[in-house]
Amino acid sequence: DTQMTQSPSSLSASVGDRVTITCQASQDISNSLNWYQQKPGKGPKVLIYDAYNLETGVPSRFSGSGSGTDFTLTITSLQPEDIATYYCQQHGNFPPTFGQGTRLEIK
Amino acid sequence: EAQLVESGGGLVKPGRSLRLSCTTSRFTFGDYAMAWFRQGPGKGLEWVSFIRSNSRGGTAEYAASVKGRFTMSRDDSKSIAYLQMNSLKTEDTAVYYCTRSRETTGRGVMYWGQGTLVTVSS
Repeated sequence: DTQMTQSPSSLSASVGDRVTITCQASQDISNSLNWYQQKPGKGPKVLIYDAYNLETGVPSRFSGSGSGTDFTLTITSLQPEDIATYYCQQHGNFPPTFGQGTRLEIK
Repeated sequence: EAQLVESGGGLVKPGRSLRLSCTTSRFTFGDYAMAWFRQGPGKGLEWVSFIRSNSRGGTAEYAASVKGRFTMSRDDSKSIAYLQMNSLKTEDTAVYYCTRSRETTGRGVMYWGQGTLVTVSS
């Protein structure tokens, strides 16, 4: 299975900060990577698909980059409503696998 | 926007069975692959099963942890996907989410349901 190493596992930042979360795949997944936001008691919500495509309705402060094995999710100006856990997920190799998650808190 | 609603979760004893349903609307169900994922208490996300559209064979795949115990199926006439879970173990305790593929080829994940909780305990 393709292992996804996500970092950091937790992050505390201030409103307005630029936040970066990284995800590294154990083998080449091309651009087959999703980023999700999950709030307590809710199902995951797709933010970015295929590494850099912004899902419809997602604020433009979210962006994704990378290909192959190294990927990044960036929030350019953190807002209070961005408090959540973020996951990367690859679907380039079977079976689909997830990173361990990044818990984002407001400082 | 597509809607997916899971149901059928609950408390069940180890070794027993449970069937989850994923009732969908607002898209042509038969055109898309469907999948189940789960999230154990305080844990991360895990893929469980996937079923192709009937136009692509309608076959299912399973995670190693559930293969031989879980069976995924679909009823295109009712726009419902199912997950039959047999020989349940305590480690199957999780919130189970139903998803729809992004593309009709089956590639990607676009929509998630709100989840249904399965608790396996004596």
